[in-house]
Amino acid sequence: AQSVTQPDIHITVSEGASLELRCNYSYGATPYLFWYVQSPGQGLQLLLKYFSGDTLVQGIKGFEAEFKRSQSSFNLRKPSVHWSDAAEYFCAVGARYKLSFGAGTTVTVRA
Amino acid sequence: GAGVSQSPSNKVTEKGKDVELRCDPISGHTALYWYRQSLGQGLEFLIYFQGNSAPDKSGLPSDRFSAERTGGSVSTLTIQRTQQEDSAVYLCASSLVPLTSGAGTQYFGPGTRLLVL
Repeated sequence: AQSVTQPDIHITVSEGASLELRCNYSYGATPYLFWYVQSPGQGLQLLLKYFSGDTLVQGIKGFEAEFKRSQSSFNLRKPSVHWSDAAEYFCAVGARYKLSFGAGTTVTVRA
Repeated sequence: GAGVSQSPSNKVTEKGKDVELRCDPISGHTALYWYRQSLGQGLEFLIYFQGNSAPDKSGLPSDRFSAERTGGSVSTLTIQRTQQEDSAVYLCASSLVPLTSGAGTQYFGPGTRLLVL
């Protein structure tokens, strides 16, 4: 069975600083990997996805993520955060039809 | 519609009552999923529909939970004899096809917040 670990429960970052959120997965085959973002009281919005090919994927809102098979990781990055990036971020691994999510990382942006 | 919609957005009910939660997927999406988001358990898969059939119901917590999908479109999640531990956000997602390619990307609705008193 697949599983996802997000080691950081909460990250605080200054506006304009860079952001990296960690994600490690466990899955026996080539994974389908996703990052979703959830603002308070909202559903999940897809930021980006990896299915195959180029291991560096670009998403919306200036986010990117890199798939590293050797490290079983799919870390999310943004070069310069905006106050509107404050939210909860979920990494997920998909197999056949089901998504398994990490526990999420809450990002706080300080002025 | 443009996205997945869910109703009601909020539901408060008394312990022991039945509730129905509705999901309208993106038009043309053949696959539909229900997830539950709670403080203690995080995001959990409940059930998957392909068309009107549910190949996997393994995530349903108990036999008080059931779901159906009609016309390959709208789905209803029913919780009978609600308990306080059922309090959570119930999220619905849909995808064009099951998760075997990029077309299987799941798009989520805003959720229904259920509070059982």
